[in-house]
Amino acid sequence: DVKVTQSSRYLVKRTGEKVFLECVQDMDHENMFWYRQDPGLGLRLIYFSYDVKMKEKGDIPEGYSVSREKKERFSLILESASTNQTSMYLCASREGRGSYEQYFGPGTRLTVT
Amino acid sequence: RKEVEQDPGPFNVPEGATVAFNCTYSNSASQSFFWYRQDCRKEPKLLMSVYSSGNEDGRFTAQLNRASQYISLLIRDSKLSDSATYLCVIHNFNKFYFGSGTKLNVKP
Repeated sequence: DVKVTQSSRYLVKRTGEKVFLECVQDMDHENMFWYRQDPGLGLRLIYFSYDVKMKEKGDIPEGYSVSREKKERFSLILESASTNQTSMYLCASREGRGSYEQYFGPGTRLTVT
Repeated sequence: RKEVEQDPGPFNVPEGATVAFNCTYSNSASQSFFWYRQDCRKEPKLLMSVYSSGNEDGRFTAQLNRASQYISLLIRDSKLSDSATYLCVIHNFNKFYFGSGTKLNVKP
C-alpha cells in the first residue's frame, strides 16, 4: 500500500511565524502535490513537483514556497503565516506517467492566530 | 468561472435508494475525469475513473458527456457506508482540479 505521511495532524501558529509542513511518500512516486481544502472551495492546488528539485506553481501559490530535495519528501513553507492561511493542508503523490491516481496524506489542520 | 462545479447537497436518501450526482467542467479540452470519495475528517481516495464510454464498478456507474461537459456518478442500492462527500476531479494539462464535493447521507 502507498503511504503518504504528513509531519503534523494539528498545528497552531502565530501570525508572522515561519511554518514548515512536511510530506513523505514511500512508493518512489515521481509527482507530489500540496493542496489546501476550505469549506465550499474544495481542494485548491498550491504547488506541485514532477521531480526532485523541480517545482511548479499551482493556482494559489502566493504566500507559500516549496522544497523537494529528495524524491520522497515535499515540504510546504509559509514564509510569514497569516490568518487567511488557516486551513486543512493535504499532500498527495502520484506515480507519474501512465497513472493518474493521487494518494493523499491524512492532512494537517493549521490554525494561525 | 470555476473549473469544476458540483451541487454541494446534502443528498439525504434511504438505504437501498438510487442516487445520482452531476459535475460540470468549464474547459472543453479537459483530458481525464475521476470521482474521489472523502469520508468525514479523512483524506480523499480514488473511487473510480470516468471513461468516455461510461464504466461500472459494482453498484457505481460513472458517465462522461463531453458535448455538455459534465460527468455523473450513479450509486445503486445505497448502503449506510456510502455516506461521504464525493469529489469530482478533472485533469487538464498536468494539473488536477477538484470540485468542492457533493455530500451524501444514507439513512437507515
